[in-house]
Amino acid sequence: GESVGLHLPTLSVQEGDNSIINCAYSNSASDYFIWYKQESGKGPQFIIDIRSNMDKRQGQRVTVLLNKTVKHLSLQIAATQPGDSAVYFCAENQGTGNQFYFGTGTSLTVIP
Amino acid sequence: EPEVTQTPSHQVTQMGQEVILRCVPISNHLYFYWYRQILGQKVEFLVSFYNNEISEKSEIFDDQFSVERPDGSNFTLKIRSTKLEDSAMYFCASKRGGAAGYTFGSGTRLTVV
Repeated sequence: GESVGLHLPTLSVQEGDNSIINCAYSNSASDYFIWYKQESGKGPQFIIDIRSNMDKRQGQRVTVLLNKTVKHLSLQIAATQPGDSAVYFCAENQGTGNQFYFGTGTSLTVIP
Repeated sequence: EPEVTQTPSHQVTQMGQEVILRCVPISNHLYFYWYRQILGQKVEFLVSFYNNEISEKSEIFDDQFSVERPDGSNFTLKIRSTKLEDSAMYFCASKRGGAAGYTFGSGTRLTVV
């Protein structure tokens, strides 16, 4: 079936370095993507989104890149801080209904 | 900043018992959702609700599950006869409308013993 998956289940980075979290999707009909951050014991928190008519979108310290050719999505976090430690999920709207399909998640640990 | 509020934060119940998980979505939102997350696994869609009816549901959302919006503020998920495998974090979410992301609550941890 259709799936959203992540290449790396865990990622450790030094504080101040940049982080890159990757995500693959398989449905070419997907037209909207969101990155969520989930801290321990909390619900997913919206970070940034991108629509399929774009290939890059920037927020505050975060950038999402979308490569539709290879169905790949990435989240770049600049100058990673300890507060960025969390599990990051990409979520995909597959153009049917309003539900999102979530990837498995990547656990980011920032080393002070 | 408006929040989606879920109660209780943790619910322990015996297998076979009914549970009701409660959510108060953001007040001007029109679309409501329940997702669940089994420990260590990904977030899974259960059901979406709009205009006082279910608009979409997943295979997980079988006859043991039901949702209700009994008044203008609450949105509930009922599990009629809980099973051990229903143990998970249950997240409520809501959005105003359109193809946008939604706001999640902090979740209810359901433990079935």
